[in-house]
Amino acid sequence: EVQLVESGGGLVQPGGSLRLSCAASGFPFSSYSMTWVRQAPGKGLEWVANIKEDGGEKYYVDSVKGRFIISRDNAKNSLYLQMNSLRAEDTAVYYCARARRSGYSYACDNWGQGTLVIVSS
Amino acid sequence: DIQMTQSPSSLSASVGDRVTITCRASQGISNYLAWFQQKPGRAPKSLIFGASSLQSGVPAKFSGSGSGTDFTLTISSLQPEDFAIYYCQQYYSYPWTFGQGTKVEIQ
Repeated sequence: EVQLVESGGGLVQPGGSLRLSCAASGFPFSSYSMTWVRQAPGKGLEWVANIKEDGGEKYYVDSVKGRFIISRDNAKNSLYLQMNSLRAEDTAVYYCARARRSGYSYACDNWGQGTLVIVSS
Repeated sequence: DIQMTQSPSSLSASVGDRVTITCRASQGISNYLAWFQQKPGRAPKSLIFGASSLQSGVPAKFSGSGSGTDFTLTISSLQPEDFAIYYCQQYYSYPWTFGQGTKVEIQ
């Protein structure tokens, strides 16, 4: 059974940093692209970042470029999101998702339960 | 960026009804379109990828169609567990973008 378990969320002050983790199990982690998606309170889904299977290619939404870093450790079956210079508008539930190959791209197929990040003074 | 627009934003339906949700892309995305279901306080669940392919374990009452800019998600016979918010998402090009969601409520 595919399992994705996020951790690392919490309350942080504006300008602060936080590192989210996603522990994966039940599938060959190194064979899948991985994604972070967030959802602000009462709002819709927003894609944040994607990292390819070997970690060689990474993509970000403009609003987090230069502040967030997606990474992975295939030996530890883990995905990470380093979040720096946090702003109030980064407050959201952050989901990690596995992305399967679909044509030349990837489609999310399994999701974690999410971890809540609150940026507030 | 590619804008995804869903219609309607919300709908009321009864158990047993056939429901169709539309998603329109601001430019052609071939079939690089996914659909997700989200219930209150829960993580999204993947329903469809490639515009029309069911994810593993998703019941056949869900179906998707379309290509290019116009797509639909159809629920053939609405059941109580189907009342939720549905999102479309394009993965044709970065940044991946979601529609604003369609809330399916009980009539």
